[in-house]
Amino acid sequence: GQQLNQSPQSMFIQEGEDVSMNCTSSSIFNTWLWYKQEPGEGPVLLIALYKAGELTSNGRLTAQFGITRKDSFLNISASIPSDVGIYFCAGQITGGGNKLTFGTGTQLKVEL
Amino acid sequence: GAVVSQHPSRVICKSGTSVKIECRSLDFQATTMFWYRQFPKQSLMLMATSNEGSKATYEQGVEKDKFLINHASLTLSTLTVTSAHPEDSSFYICSARSGAFSYNEQFFGPGTRLTVL
Repeated sequence: GQQLNQSPQSMFIQEGEDVSMNCTSSSIFNTWLWYKQEPGEGPVLLIALYKAGELTSNGRLTAQFGITRKDSFLNISASIPSDVGIYFCAGQITGGGNKLTFGTGTQLKVEL
Repeated sequence: GAVVSQHPSRVICKSGTSVKIECRSLDFQATTMFWYRQFPKQSLMLMATSNEGSKATYEQGVEKDKFLINHASLTLSTLTVTSAHPEDSSFYICSARSGAFSYNEQFFGPGTRLTVL
């Protein structure tokens, strides 16, 4: 099935640094979602975006829905050790059976 | 609220046997449940969508006779992996959504690790 491309694939950063990752698609989506998954667990929703151009924050996390509807980015400010995990974007099409198409994932490792 | 559970959390079985995985919405009624499969270091891939009381819709390439899905009630869906083989070893994750929540949000279960020997 289709996957969304995420970059970078992985990143190793210092505690306190800001992090940026993005997600691109060849198709248009009506909703963009960002999830975090820790080892052996299901994904947990971080931010949901419903309008092109929308910029939404959740604590230290900020995400934007690209104007073209084909991309989104997620920023994490002042990273801390518990930010470690895999971050997935997901796109959803209205009326498409509510199915989610997941990105390839960005693995974040934080160095103390 | 909006908690989804899965049982078992991990299972090991012999090749050729069948394994049933349960997905339950604990505090809401799930009109739709989704089943995903995730191989190590890979993303979640949707296997099928099930609506309560009707047959599941499978994604292309997913064998419906091998992965039997039953969504008999608004709080329970089951995935049965029939005649499991080592290549079926994976992390199976379900999600559930309810029309009562805005924006069609899906709530994910904690996953089931299947190992086929």
